[in-house]
Formats: sequence, structure tokens, C-alpha cells
Amino acid sequence: SQKIEQNSEALNIQEGKTATLTCNYTNYSPAYLQWYRQDPGRGPVFLLLIRENEKEKRKERLKVTFDTTLKQSLFHITASQPADSATYLCALDRSGAGNMLTFGGGTRLMVKP
Amino acid sequence: DAGVIQSPRHEVTEMGQEVTLRCKPISGHNSLFWYRQTMMRGLELLIYFNNNVPIDDSGMPEDRFSAKMPNASFSTLKIQPSEPRDSAVYFCASSQDSSNEKLFFGSGTQLSVL
Repeated sequence: SQKIEQNSEALNIQEGKTATLTCNYTNYSPAYLQWYRQDPGRGPVFLLLIRENEKEKRKERLKVTFDTTLKQSLFHITASQPADSATYLCALDRSGAGNMLTFGGGTRLMVKP
Repeated sequence: DAGVIQSPRHEVTEMGQEVTLRCKPISGHNSLFWYRQTMMRGLELLIYFNNNVPIDDSGMPEDRFSAKMPNASFSTLKIQPSEPRDSAVYFCASSQDSSNEKLFFGSGTQLSVL
């Protein structure tokens, strides 16, 4: 069966350090992978999309890697700030047709000052 | 644009009652999704509309759930009769086209069925 796994345990890091979150998947052949941020009481907010033929993508302090051989994506936040504290979700297209996203369970990040 | 608008923000009802959740997608977006989020199961896709037509409703838990999209600017998710296990946060999301490479989510409806 298709599965998307993110570390369900919260990640606690010190301000200024790099946070690294992991997303592993099985039985998917995604054309792309997406990362979202969710704050308490709010809906997820899109952050980044990386395609299968892209190894790495950057946006300001964010960096995403995508290894289709390992079936894994890594999400990095450099120079982390307390305002980065949130839950981060990865998402894959379930159908392969690019139209139905399935989300992982999310990893909660806590950045301490 | 105001983003995806959902109402009500909170809904408390008793078991057996009918519940209707409402969503207004972003203007110009032609794909709409209903998701449900719980601690145990995370974010689950319930149903997906494209150009107001239901494309995939395989995530709808059972016949008690139904969704409609009568026009491009409005969708409803109805639960009848509601049960305590339906308690969750229900999100509506829209995207600009069928590639769905970026979803915009509403703030959700927190449903509590007593």
C-alpha cells in the first residue's frame, strides 16, 4: 500500500541552527513532492514544490532535496528562528496524474530562543 | 483575494443531527478539495472536484457524507446523520488548475459531535 512517513516526534532545535525534516514514501511514483507549513488552528500553507528531475530546490532559508532512488525528501531550514516553529507536512500525488495530494502525518518543529 | 473561505469556523452538534459545512474557493480556481484532519489519521482527502464535477470521492467515509459544488464559487460538505467519530477539522482547498501543483487551504471548520 502507498505510505508517506514523517517523524511523528517533535523536533526541538536551538535558534540559529539548521532544522532537517525527513519525508519517506513507499509505492509512489510521484512527478513531484510538495512541502506545507501548518500553524495551530490554521490550514496548511504551501512552501515548496520539487519535481522528480530536480535534486534540490531553494527558497530563501528553505532547501528541499528529492531522491527518487531512496524515495526520500529532506526539508532544511537554515538559521532557524522561533517563528519557524510549526508543523511541516510533505505531500505526494496519489494518482500519478498530478491531481490528488496525499499528506504525510507531519513533523512538529520547535525552535527555542 | 480573501483566500479560501470556510464557514462555520466551529460547529458543535449532537449525534444524529445534520451538519453542513460551506466553502468558497478562490475566484478563478477550478479545482476544489475537501480534507479531514484528526490526530490519529492526519490529513485525509475526502473528495476532489474539477470544474464543479466530482472526480474522485473514494475518500468519503460512508453514505452519511455527501458533497456538492453547484457552481464555481461554492461547495458544501454534508454529514447526515452525524456521529461522534466524525469530530475533526474539515478543510477545503482550491487550486488554479488540474495540475494542482499548489493548494490553497481555508482555515477549516472544527466539528464536534457530542
